[in-house]
Amino acid sequence: QVQLVESGGGVVQPGGSLRLSCVASGLTPSTDDMHWVRQAPGKGLEWVAFTRIDGRSKNCADSVKGRFTISRDNSKNTLYLQLNSLRAEDTAVYHCATGHNYYFDHWGQGTLVTVSS
Amino acid sequence: QTVVTQEPSFSVSPGGTVTLTCGLSSGSVSTSHFPSWYQQTPGQAPRTLISTTNTRSSGVPDRFSGSILGNKAALTITGAQADDESDYYCVLLVGSDNWVFGGGTKLTVL
Repeated sequence: QVQLVESGGGVVQPGGSLRLSCVASGLTPSTDDMHWVRQAPGKGLEWVAFTRIDGRSKNCADSVKGRFTISRDNSKNTLYLQLNSLRAEDTAVYHCATGHNYYFDHWGQGTLVTVSS
Repeated sequence: QTVVTQEPSFSVSPGGTVTLTCGLSSGSVSTSHFPSWYQQTPGQAPRTLISTTNTRSSGVPDRFSGSILGNKAALTITGAQADDESDYYCVLLVGSDNWVFGGGTKLTVL
């Protein structure tokens, strides 16, 4: 049974930072690509960032480029998302998901990030 | 900037068939975009339905099917049931390691 559990969300002021974590169990993360996908309140899904199995190949959406950084520690079965220079429009539930053959396979329940003064 | 288009809403009668589509603001959708489909009910994580155009995920009923119809990807639900009432999202691989979601379709079964 694959389980992904996100943590690290909370309320932060504009311009602030947060680090999200996603711990995986029931699978071997070193065999899967990993993604972050977010959903603003009442809005649709938005792909945020991606890292390949080895963690060396990464990409992120233009909307967060230069502000968010994805990383992974396969020894800890953990995926991270560093969020810097946060804006109100970054308010969302952030889901991690495993990636396989260019689609999102398993999903976590998400962690809520609220950017507000 | 690439925009992936979906119908904002759709309605189907119980037992009926509905086809939701996923297009590109410029150009045609093909298998090389690796279209995939996700179902989401409020407050829940998305559920993967279809990957790489037409492969059903484990546990997904065979009334869900994926295809390319004309210049769009399509999700067809045959014999719709009440619990199919959800939001449906497609996502396309656009360029290298870059994914774009459609805006989602709210499906009503009534």
